[in-house]
Amino acid sequence: GAVVSQHPSWVICKSGTSVKIECRSLDFQATTMFWYRQFPKQSLMLMATSNEGSKATYEQGVEKDKFLINHASLTLSTLTVTSAHPEDSSFYICSALSSNTGELFFGEGSRLTVL
Amino acid sequence: GIQVEQSPPDLILQEGANSTLRCNFSDSVNNLQWFHQNPWGQLINLFYIPSGTKQNGRLSATTVATERYSLLYISSSQTTDSGVYFCAVNYNQGGKLIFGQGTELSVKP
Repeated sequence: GAVVSQHPSWVICKSGTSVKIECRSLDFQATTMFWYRQFPKQSLMLMATSNEGSKATYEQGVEKDKFLINHASLTLSTLTVTSAHPEDSSFYICSALSSNTGELFFGEGSRLTVL
Repeated sequence: GIQVEQSPPDLILQEGANSTLRCNFSDSVNNLQWFHQNPWGQLINLFYIPSGTKQNGRLSATTVATERYSLLYISSSQTTDSGVYFCAVNYNQGGKLIFGQGTELSVKP
């Protein structure tokens, strides 16, 4: 199957700093990528839709100035958590949509801990 | 918006047993996928199955789109099958998947 790589796998940062997470589709082009957030023992909650070459579309309740998304190429989307606080600690997972099949493939996830 | 409900929420099996996981959804969908999330958080694609039946080894899935449900069958379960199984659906053309709450499966040796 298609491969989506996410980096870093885990990150620990101090409160007030910003953290960037990268999501790459390795063997296919993805005009659309999605960012999800998952709290322990819970399901995945969609945060935003990332569209190559245009602004991201955020789900209701997600602060776009806090979670900056950039989709600069057909294989890369980035999520930047700005001025991170402990409540931003979570597991963030990206996914990329195969334009050929309509199937969604997920990255390995990034575990963020804000101290 | 569309609602996705999975049952049961938790399931404990003895190794070798069979099981059926269910996913109900409240509206017509374009796409339905089943995933297995391993203990490290990785989501593994199991099936892309908006309708019909597919099989892959010990796993099979059936989606009856007209009745708005999908079933995931696990036969001869193994301890490595443990983890959370998610059903997710897409109801528009944009590819956005909405996830159910998952079924946490524990297979005991």
